[in-house]
Amino acid sequence: GAVVSQHPSWVICKSGTSVKIECRSLDFQATTMFWYRQFPKQSLMLMATSNEGSKATYEQGVEKDKFLINHASLTLSTLTVTSAHPEDSSFYICSARPGTGNEKLFFGSGTQLSVL
Amino acid sequence: AQTVTQSQPEMSVQEAETVTLSCTYDTSESNYYLFWYKQPPSRQMILVIRQEAYKQQNATENRFSVNFQKAAKSFSLKISDSQLGDTAMYFCAPKGSGNTPLVFGKGTRLSVIA
Repeated sequence: GAVVSQHPSWVICKSGTSVKIECRSLDFQATTMFWYRQFPKQSLMLMATSNEGSKATYEQGVEKDKFLINHASLTLSTLTVTSAHPEDSSFYICSARPGTGNEKLFFGSGTQLSVL
Repeated sequence: AQTVTQSQPEMSVQEAETVTLSCTYDTSESNYYLFWYKQPPSRQMILVIRQEAYKQQNATENRFSVNFQKAAKSFSLKISDSQLGDTAMYFCAPKGSGNTPLVFGKGTRLSVIA
């Protein structure tokens, strides 16, 4: 089946530093990947849509200069949280769709970010 | 645009019993899909079942089935013979066709009690 690998699983960083999260589709090509954020006991909120070879599309209220998304290949999208602050502490999850004719989205295992 | 309402924040069910989780949605898409995802304590998102909106027949997947009422925009999930491993958050999510994202409801926390 379609596998999406997300790393790291958890990261702790100091306030003001940057953190990069990787999302890889291991056995399929994904022209589009999605990044979600989930605060404790809340639902998944879409942050942005990552398109291979072009700029990401951000949802309203998500700062594109703070959450940098790069989708340089058909199997890799990265999310960089720049100048992280404690309020950025959250669970970040990526998902990808394995091609046309398949409307399922498969999810990475998520990254718990804790900013001190 | 799509919106999703899951009106039951928490539910509990006895092991081996049946439980139904409700979901209503609204969408401007003419061609769309509906999903139920499960998120156990590990927080891994797991697909439970999906329904193509153009199909009248309700989807089933082993112990899981849906009651899809297109006109009412209702998409409930029935879990039969509940098992302890079914304890999780359950999210209802519509999706348009193509490279469109899932839009999640607030979720229902299901606890299966031995």
